[in-house]
Amino acid sequence: AQSVTQLDSQVPVFEEAPVELRCNYSSSVSVYLFWYVQYPNQGLQLLLKYLSGSTLVKGINGFEAEFNKSQTSFHLRKPSVHISDTAEYFCAVSVSQAGTALIFGKGTTLSVSS
Amino acid sequence: KAGVTQTPRYLIKTRGQQVTLSCSPISGHRSVSWYQQTPGQGLQFLFEYFSETQRNKGNFPGRFSGRQFSNSRSEMNVSTLELGDSALYLCASSLYPQETQYFGPGTRLLVL
Repeated sequence: AQSVTQLDSQVPVFEEAPVELRCNYSSSVSVYLFWYVQYPNQGLQLLLKYLSGSTLVKGINGFEAEFNKSQTSFHLRKPSVHISDTAEYFCAVSVSQAGTALIFGKGTTLSVSS
Repeated sequence: KAGVTQTPRYLIKTRGQQVTLSCSPISGHRSVSWYQQTPGQGLQFLFEYFSETQRNKGNFPGRFSGRQFSNSRSEMNVSTLELGDSALYLCASSLYPQETQYFGPGTRLLVL
């Protein structure tokens, strides 16, 4: 079975500081990897995705993530955060052979303060 | 292009009742998936539909059911509501299965 572990439930940072949100996955087959963001009282918005090819993936709002197959990780990074980045971030995997069902981590709350 | 729309946005029901939630996918998208989000269990996959057929189902009791219409719109139904069914129900659409999913704003269900 596949699983996703987001190692930090909460990450507080100051504005303009760099941030890394950690995600590890477990799967015996090939996976697609995603990061979604959820702002209060809203649905999920896709930040970026890794399907194949280059292991460094750039997304919206200045976020990027690196797929590391040997460490089964897909950490999300941003070099300089803004107050508006305050939200909950979800890492997810999709097992290509099994269809589209996304398996989500428990989420990381990013709190950016001035 | 309009995004995924879900109706209603908020709903209050009592235990034992049933509820139907609706999802309209992005125009042209033919695959619809449903997820349940709760503080305790997080985001969990309910089911996926493509071309009016259920392709995949998560680990939920038979009280949870769904369907998809020929225009790709989807509904999910929960019968005999329990307090634990209180959650945010999210619908996501994609062009085809295994394509990137785009989420709607969700329907927040409160069961009293």
